[in-house]
Amino acid sequence: QKEVEQNSGPLSVPEGAIASLNCTYSDRGSQSFFWYRQYSGKSPELIMFIYSNGDKEDGRFTAQLNKASQYVSLLIRDSQPSDSATYLCAVHLFNAGGTSYGKLTFGQGTILTVHP
Amino acid sequence: GAGVSQSPRYKVAKRGQDVALRCDPISGHVSLFWYQQALGQGPEFLTYFQNEAQLDKSGLPSDRFFAERPEGSVSTLKIQRTQQEDSAVYLCASMRGSEQYFGPGTRLTVT
Repeated sequence: QKEVEQNSGPLSVPEGAIASLNCTYSDRGSQSFFWYRQYSGKSPELIMFIYSNGDKEDGRFTAQLNKASQYVSLLIRDSQPSDSATYLCAVHLFNAGGTSYGKLTFGQGTILTVHP
Repeated sequence: GAGVSQSPRYKVAKRGQDVALRCDPISGHVSLFWYQQALGQGPEFLTYFQNEAQLDKSGLPSDRFFAERPEGSVSTLKIQRTQQEDSAVYLCASMRGSEQYFGPGTRLTVT
């Protein structure tokens, strides 16, 4: 089982709809969760991140964590064609000693297409 | 510039050649990461530096891969005797707090 898994998609939604992207992780020691957006041929761009203690909303984006089921989701409200990209979920683990330096483990990404 | 820069942006190497990929992190960022991204996959961790110290190189796929950051700023990822399976995008990221900022990447093609 991969440490971080995402449905590769593609996920297609109409403009103005809510896009829901999900990611599951295997390590219960995961402490923070990141969503990156990657346009074709470009590098990953951080959208938002959350810690294990709560959800976060930032504009049209909401990140939610379900610790019991070990999944994290990203909701994009009022989806726009410019949101069409690959969305990468990444997880930050702490070391056994409770320390960490920030190494990220990524899922394979979900391709999102928003059609007019 | 304000962001992470990488050079070259594209590199074509013949199998067996050595290559060197450069990363200029955001000024003042202590932490620097290298990742490898194969087509259609997410980035995979290669190595981590804190200033000039390489604290984790567990992701380097073989001893043909070597990274350094001698003065704690610019970093170089070197691949010796390149193989076709080394073809990928190599991403560098520098970090402040919990946020990693990626450079544009170097697309390496081994023919």
